[in-house]
Amino acid sequence: DADVTQTPRNRITKTGKRIMLECSQTKGHDRMYWYRQDPGLGLRLIYYSFDVKDINKGEISDGYSVSRQAQAKFSLSLESAIPNQTALYFCATSDNSRTMTPNYGYTFGSGTRLTVV
Amino acid sequence: QQQVKQSPQSLIVQKGGISIINCAYENTAFDYFPWYQQFPGKGPALLIAIRPDVSEKKEGRFTISFNKSAKQFSLHIMDSQPGDSATYFCAASITGNQFYFGTGTSLTVIP
Repeated sequence: DADVTQTPRNRITKTGKRIMLECSQTKGHDRMYWYRQDPGLGLRLIYYSFDVKDINKGEISDGYSVSRQAQAKFSLSLESAIPNQTALYFCATSDNSRTMTPNYGYTFGSGTRLTVV
Repeated sequence: QQQVKQSPQSLIVQKGGISIINCAYENTAFDYFPWYQQFPGKGPALLIAIRPDVSEKKEGRFTISFNKSAKQFSLHIMDSQPGDSATYFCAASITGNQFYFGTGTSLTVIP
């Protein structure tokens, strides 16, 4: 099983619908993140959480909300989807205790491709 | 505002050649610079990373060169192989907190 699992892998939804993307991890990491990837724009941070009671906005949080249900689960919601939210969404995790180690990094899921029509 | 600027957007290299991807930043508080590799249909995966106390880090065919005064860092892939064809992202962070990613470079290595 993957360390970071995202569901669904692909989703097509209509404008105005509410949609939830889910992320679960077995890494035991305390930090979790949601990014979106768009061609030519790279990866942009939507929200992040350093523990269950900590939620922070990233650079592009408008139109999104998140819920950290447990250490291992972090969900991203689009309250009313719009076409420019069509993108590839990634969940990632990291271990707070390893931030100063030589190869500290995020573990990414395989992504959710979301299309809003 | 893009915190980390990456170039080129795409790169085509012959097998056996050297691939070079460049990144630049402005925030001098950044103290950690990882590179990620992404294959189609997969999430990015950490490739190699450097901290500003060294000017170069090498792991196998992959080398990061870091120029603190110029606020630039680059990834060099020696003896590039078709299996290296992927999208590469540079990133920067402050004390391992949120990563700011570059816009990505699509590398194609021609056999």
